[in-house]
Amino acid sequence: GENVEQHPSTLSVQEGDSAVIKCTYSDSASNYFPWYKQELGKRPQLIIDIRSNVGEKKDQRIAVTLNKTAKHFSLHITETQPEDSAVYFCAARVWNNDMRFGAGTRLTVKP
Amino acid sequence: GAGVSQSPSNKVTEKGKDVELRCDPISGHTALYWYRQSLGQGLEFLIYFQGNSAPDKSGLPSDRFSAERTGGSVSTLTIQRTQQEDSAVYLCASSPDTNYEQYFGPGTRLTVT
Repeated sequence: GENVEQHPSTLSVQEGDSAVIKCTYSDSASNYFPWYKQELGKRPQLIIDIRSNVGEKKDQRIAVTLNKTAKHFSLHITETQPEDSAVYFCAARVWNNDMRFGAGTRLTVKP
Repeated sequence: GAGVSQSPSNKVTEKGKDVELRCDPISGHTALYWYRQSLGQGLEFLIYFQGNSAPDKSGLPSDRFSAERTGGSVSTLTIQRTQQEDSAVYLCASSPDTNYEQYFGPGTRLTVT
């Protein structure tokens, strides 16, 4: 089955700086890679996703890149704000199969 | 429209008792997932239902855990003879057939005393 690893487990940045979270996956057949943001005590919410037929996707301050050859994908947050502080989870899914999540990254943005 | 709902929101039970957790997915969503999240930890996959196919039970941690999905809609996760290590938030998510995005419910916080 799919195995997803996520790094770092914790990340602290100064407001306005960029944050990068990286994930690797094991199953080359995986074709969908979402990122979820989970604020304290709340449910995970999808913030951006990418499919295997594209290498990069951007939505305002958030971008995701995918390297299928190396089997890794990354989340980039630019101009970080205190409200970006949360736990971020990456995930990978093989078509019509279950979703496997990374262990999460606790991002702290210091004002 | 209505999102994914779960009940109860909180459940406290004594060790050894059975519990049932309910998930109401978004209407029309054919895929339904159960995850477990221990305090401060990641999302642990438990079970996955897709349409009328046999469920993927590969994440269930022991035979005390089981889940059903009746009529392709509501799902119930049952934990028999609960143990203290079962204490966690149990999250349900659903997704439509043609789109992979998962929509999460608010979760059920289970505490086994």
